[in-house]
Amino acid sequence: ETGVTQTPRHLVMGMTNKKSLKCEQHLGHNAMYWYKQSAKKPLELMFVYNFKEQTENNSVPSRFSPECPNSSHLFLHLHTLQPEDSALYLCASSQPLVGGKVTYNSPLHFGNGTRLTVT
Amino acid sequence: QQPVQSPQAVILREGEDAVINCSSSKALYSVHWYRQKHGEAPVFLMILLKGGEQKGHEKISASFNEKKQQSSLYLTASQLSYSGTYFCGTELSAGNNRKLIWGLGTSLAVNP
Repeated sequence: ETGVTQTPRHLVMGMTNKKSLKCEQHLGHNAMYWYKQSAKKPLELMFVYNFKEQTENNSVPSRFSPECPNSSHLFLHLHTLQPEDSALYLCASSQPLVGGKVTYNSPLHFGNGTRLTVT
Repeated sequence: QQPVQSPQAVILREGEDAVINCSSSKALYSVHWYRQKHGEAPVFLMILLKGGEQKGHEKISASFNEKKQQSSLYLTASQLSYSGTYFCGTELSAGNNRKLIWGLGTSLAVNP
């Protein structure tokens, strides 16, 4: 059972659609992440939010737009996606350990992911 | 910069042991290990910091060889529940950009 919940679990969308992925964490963490997981590729960090502020944008195309209204919720807004964007999108949270700054020494708690298929 | 995991896949019978390696060409600050079962979220196993420490978690333990820039994950007396894909994430010592860089994973299947 995970303290990080992602919805929907599966999403099929056309290239002209607009959709959003939702992530909610019940762990009291202050850092939240979006990762992309594709077959035969390493986990790809997309965005990091720390205390609702975006601290990392890993050169992600603008067709992906994150939103973090509070420390418990994270969204990924999708529009005009390409077929190569089909992947498993994982949300994660962690608790910063050093002076409130995001560190990468704290364990990540992942959600089950949204399996996205772009047609 | 991506760490190399070996082997890519391993099949065990229940009760057998396995070692999964994670090697980097760069100096490492820490190594993180996760396991992901099919259709599920990756689950944190342990973090090892530079200093050559070793950690254990029931019958799963790991070591970090700073000189070799390598971490090894040891699974002893494997159980069916150990099946899944094991990922290492490495944090480089150099620079301020302390992101985790992930390996491609090692698929482990434990059969009865």
